[in-house]
Amino acid sequence: LAKTTQPISMDSYEGQEVNITCSHNNIATNDYITWYQQFPSQGPRFIIQGYKTKVTNEVASLFIPADRKSSTLSLPRVSLSDTAVYYCLVPRDTGRRALTFGSGTRLQVQP
Amino acid sequence: GAVVSQHPSWVICKSGTSVKIECRSLDFQATTMFWYRQFPKQSLMLMATSNEGSKATYEQGVEKDKFLINHASLTLSTLTVTSAHPEDSSFYICSAHSPTSGKQETQYFGPGTRLLVL
Repeated sequence: LAKTTQPISMDSYEGQEVNITCSHNNIATNDYITWYQQFPSQGPRFIIQGYKTKVTNEVASLFIPADRKSSTLSLPRVSLSDTAVYYCLVPRDTGRRALTFGSGTRLQVQP
Repeated sequence: GAVVSQHPSWVICKSGTSVKIECRSLDFQATTMFWYRQFPKQSLMLMATSNEGSKATYEQGVEKDKFLINHASLTLSTLTVTSAHPEDSSFYICSAHSPTSGKQETQYFGPGTRLLVL
C-alpha cells in the first residue's frame, strides 16, 4: 500500500520559487506520481504527473530522483492565487486505480 | 484536461430525506469513477469505486445501503445519500479516469457538491 508524506504547511512570498517534496518509499515499479492543487470548496485540480527524472508543463515542474522514493513539485514565481493545498498522490494499491489522499501541503503565499 | 461535472453544486435537505448527486464525464468515457467525501479542514476520503455496469466497491466503514451508487453509463455515475442525517453534511467529490496518450491514466475531479442536512 503506497503512502505519501508531505510537509503539513509551507509559507512563501510572491515571486519566489516554491519546492514541495513528497516521499513515497513504497511506490510500485509501474506507478506514476501525480500532484493536485485544491482550493477551498473546490475539487482537486490536476497539476502534473511524472514517472522519473523531470517533467515540466506551463504550471510547474516535477523532479523525480532515480530511486523514485520521493518527488519534488516546483512552482516558479508563486503568486497569491497559488495559495492552496497541494497533494502528492500515487495509486492506492498496485493494479488499483483509486488514489489515497494524505494530508497534503497547505501553501500560504504572502504579498 | 478532461472535464468532470457534478450536479448539484450544493444542496440543503431535511433530515430523513434522500439526495442524489450526479457525476458526469463531459468529454470522455469513464468505466470507473470514484466518490470521495471531505470534511472541513480535512483531506479527501475515498468512499467507493463506481464501476460501469456492475456493483460499486465500497471502502471499509462506508455503508453501501446508505450511499447508493449507480453507474448506468460510461459518462454518468450517481451517488444517493439515503435517509440523510446532519452528520452526512459534507463536501462530496467525484473523479474519473481519463485515458491519456501516455503510460498512465490521469484522474480528474469534479467541482464537488456541498451537502447540508438540517
